[in-house]
Amino acid sequence: DTAVSQTPKYLVTQMGNDKSIKCEQNLGHDTMYWYKQDSKKFLKIMFSYNNKELIINETVPNRFSPKSPDKAHLNLHINSLELGDSAVYFCASSPEGAGGTDTQYFGPGTRLTVL
Amino acid sequence: AQKITQTQPGMFVQEKEAVTLDCTYDTSDPSYGLFWYKQPSSGEMIFLIYQGSYDQQNATEGRYSLNFQKARKSANLVISASQLGDSAMYFCAMREIQGRRALTFGSGTRLQVQP
Repeated sequence: DTAVSQTPKYLVTQMGNDKSIKCEQNLGHDTMYWYKQDSKKFLKIMFSYNNKELIINETVPNRFSPKSPDKAHLNLHINSLELGDSAVYFCASSPEGAGGTDTQYFGPGTRLTVL
Repeated sequence: AQKITQTQPGMFVQEKEAVTLDCTYDTSDPSYGLFWYKQPSSGEMIFLIYQGSYDQQNATEGRYSLNFQKARKSANLVISASQLGDSAMYFCAMREIQGRRALTFGSGTRLQVQP
């Protein structure tokens, strides 16, 4: 009965490869997010989707492409991986209420290591 | 633009004592939400507590309480009766209601509870 799940949990790959991270939520939430946590533990928003529509697209290299096949899934595809892409990537979801009270629930994270 | 500042990179507390983790914020949005998350060494992000900008009372959740001082733009987390399992990184975050819905995080405070 996991609320927000991500696969894989660990991903080790070579520079230049293409990889994907998958995220699924079973909370019935309308909005999903991708956050990146760097080596200094700083968390920053990358993308946000609401009902399969992209609503936030931060200044992220276009090698990163999110895809939402339905509102329960948000995948992250990364092309031509670079050393600087090494980080922990978190998926999160929240309901879409009228106010800013909607708590975001996070997945377990995917630790990406680029060699 | 919204900003969250956590000035304590690390804190120590004795088991069973209370501890306050500081958080100040800056935003031009009159309506916003403030959140605290815990990240243990296992890496997951755990939601702890929420405070809305128009809430009259300070939020409480079990041993966690949020000392919200709107005029000072501070939202400090108070943990009472610290336990060894409270040792973790703690992140303060904000979400504007009128603006984009993503969380903006502070740099975090690493709390270590000593026996």
